[in-house]
Amino acid sequence: EVQLVESGGGLVQPGRSLRLSCAASGFTFDDYAMHWVRQAPGKGLEWVSGISWNSGSIGYADSVKGRFTISRDNAKNSLYLQMNSLRAEDTALYYCAKDMSGFDAFDIWGQGTMVTVSS
Amino acid sequence: QSALTQPASVSGSPGQSITISCTGTSSDVGGYNYVSWYQQHPGKAPKLMIYEVSNRPSGVPDRFSGSKSGNTASLTISGLQAEDEADYYCSSYTSSSTPYVFGTGTKVTVL
Repeated sequence: EVQLVESGGGLVQPGRSLRLSCAASGFTFDDYAMHWVRQAPGKGLEWVSGISWNSGSIGYADSVKGRFTISRDNAKNSLYLQMNSLRAEDTALYYCAKDMSGFDAFDIWGQGTMVTVSS
Repeated sequence: QSALTQPASVSGSPGQSITISCTGTSSDVGGYNYVSWYQQHPGKAPKLMIYEVSNRPSGVPDRFSGSKSGNTASLTISGLQAEDEADYYCSSYTSSSTPYVFGTGTKVTVL
């Protein structure tokens, strides 16, 4: 079964850091780009960051550029998001999503991990 | 990069057809055929329903169809069913510094 499982969320104070992880299974992880997409409580979806299969191409939303770093470990079938200088507006459910190769769509999603930034 | 514009809500009776619009610009929807649609039930992860404007992934009922004209994409649900009640989001590749943008979301209600 194709599966993505996020972890690492929690309550963190403004200005602090948090690292999210996403464990992939059921498909050849290193064949696909991967993404992080977030959803603030009661709000819509927002693309956060994406990384190519070999980490050679990386992109970020303007809202997180310079604060968040995406990475992957193909040997561990894992995707990561290092979040620094967190702000209240980063509070959201963070989803890991698999890229639908060649179609710029997200075909497999995890269940998400909640990040709450509050003092 | 601003979110793509969708109607906040659309409703229909079982068996009817509804259409959700997704309006962007020539830098996103109008410039690329990389428009996708996602269904999200409350408390659940989004599910891909349409990719590349009008293609359905395996397992998605053919009641769901997509199209595009100029800077506006559309998702049509024919033969509306109770289980179609959910939030729907469009997404597009963009030429901006943020390569992907989602729509504002549409709540579909089955009357």
